[in-house]
Amino acid sequence: AQSVAQPEDQVNVAEGNPLTVKCTYSVSGNPYLFWYVQYPNRGLQFLLKYITGDNLVKGSYGFEAEFNKSQTSFHLKKPSALVSDSALYFCAVRDSNSGNTPLVFGKGTRLSVIA
Amino acid sequence: NAGVTQTPKFQVLKTGQSMTLQCAQDMNHEYMSWYRQDPGMGLRLIHYSVGAGITDQGEVPNGYNVSRSTTEDFPLRLLSAAPSQTSVYFCASKGGNNEQFFGPGTRLTVL
Repeated sequence: AQSVAQPEDQVNVAEGNPLTVKCTYSVSGNPYLFWYVQYPNRGLQFLLKYITGDNLVKGSYGFEAEFNKSQTSFHLKKPSALVSDSALYFCAVRDSNSGNTPLVFGKGTRLSVIA
Repeated sequence: NAGVTQTPKFQVLKTGQSMTLQCAQDMNHEYMSWYRQDPGMGLRLIHYSVGAGITDQGEVPNGYNVSRSTTEDFPLRLLSAAPSQTSVYFCASKGGNNEQFFGPGTRLTVL
């Protein structure tokens, strides 16, 4: 079975400081990992994904994430937070060996960037 | 491309009423899915489809029906609405690169 955990419901960070939103996963095979962002009253937008290759993945809006197989983690990071980064962030996973199966999403982490 | 479109954006139903949430995509994606989003629960999968004529249940399928007669459309039917179905509903489609595209959502209130 596939699962994703986002251990923090809320992350607060000052504008200009680095931010990290945590995600750990569990799959039986190799993971496909994703981050999505949701702004108020909007649908989810794709940020970045890890399929294979370099463990450090760069995505939209200056975000990046690092795949760590030994720690089964895929934390989202940004070197300098902006107030406009305030949103709800979702991590998702799919087992690469499971065929065309659905993504499993975490419960989301609300990021608040304070000016 | 319009991407994934959903109608209506808002809907209020009375308990026991039925309705269909519409979802369409113009990216020729085989895979489509429906999620509901509730506070503190994240996104929960209701039903999904890997192609026309093929549907399967997700995590929370009870009270919902789907069909997939064309690649483009994937409607979600509530047969007899209940207050527990008050939620925000998202349709999504996924292409061969594994990137999933979401519609703007339908906010449903069942009184």
